[in-house]
Amino acid sequence: DAMVIQNPRYQVTQFGKPVTLSCSQTLNHNVMYWYQQKSSQAPKLLFHYYDKDFNNEADTPDNFQSRRPNTSFCFLDIRSPGLGDAAMYLCATSLDAGPYEQYFGPGTRLTVT
Amino acid sequence: AQRVTQPEKLLSVFKGAPVELKCNYSYSGSPELFWYVQYSRQRLQLLLRHISRESIKGFTADLNKGETSFHLKKPFAQEEDSAMYYCALTTGGGNKLTFGTGTQLKVEL
Repeated sequence: DAMVIQNPRYQVTQFGKPVTLSCSQTLNHNVMYWYQQKSSQAPKLLFHYYDKDFNNEADTPDNFQSRRPNTSFCFLDIRSPGLGDAAMYLCATSLDAGPYEQYFGPGTRLTVT
Repeated sequence: AQRVTQPEKLLSVFKGAPVELKCNYSYSGSPELFWYVQYSRQRLQLLLRHISRESIKGFTADLNKGETSFHLKKPFAQEEDSAMYYCALTTGGGNKLTFGTGTQLKVEL
């Protein structure tokens, strides 16, 4: 089945230790998104790629970076995780720009110790 | 900036009872409105969108621009409807979703 895959599902990292979360898709969609969702809060868009074009949200901290080496893969890098970065990170894709349906991965639960 | 408000964190109804999940938004233009749903141990997925004007799994939602609302309704709740429901919008023909904080629907027997 075509889908959005996130690895790992659970990630524990230490305060200040860089961590990378991975997302891959078999849908061949042009757009890939990263959302952060803290407990009892709404998913919050961090950034997205339209093909190779990176689009950062104005309030996304510099601590968060992303890479999209090819159509299928997108990575979220947190350079120096703080305790406040503990959250569920959701990857999503959509066919193209515009109000298309977004297809979500299962998420990666990040714990910072 | 746009905002989506879902006033109820938890809504509990009995099987067979009508369901209404409330969603209000603030945006001065014409948004696109969506309902996404997350069943237990499953990923977030689209339930319906207002421009499709369709009924999915018995759910409907009507965009009321005067009241800036997009409430989700179902006449008879089923046990399998128990899930987390998120209202969301995009603006300006764009693709950036702004989500509400979600409502947990619990359908009791």
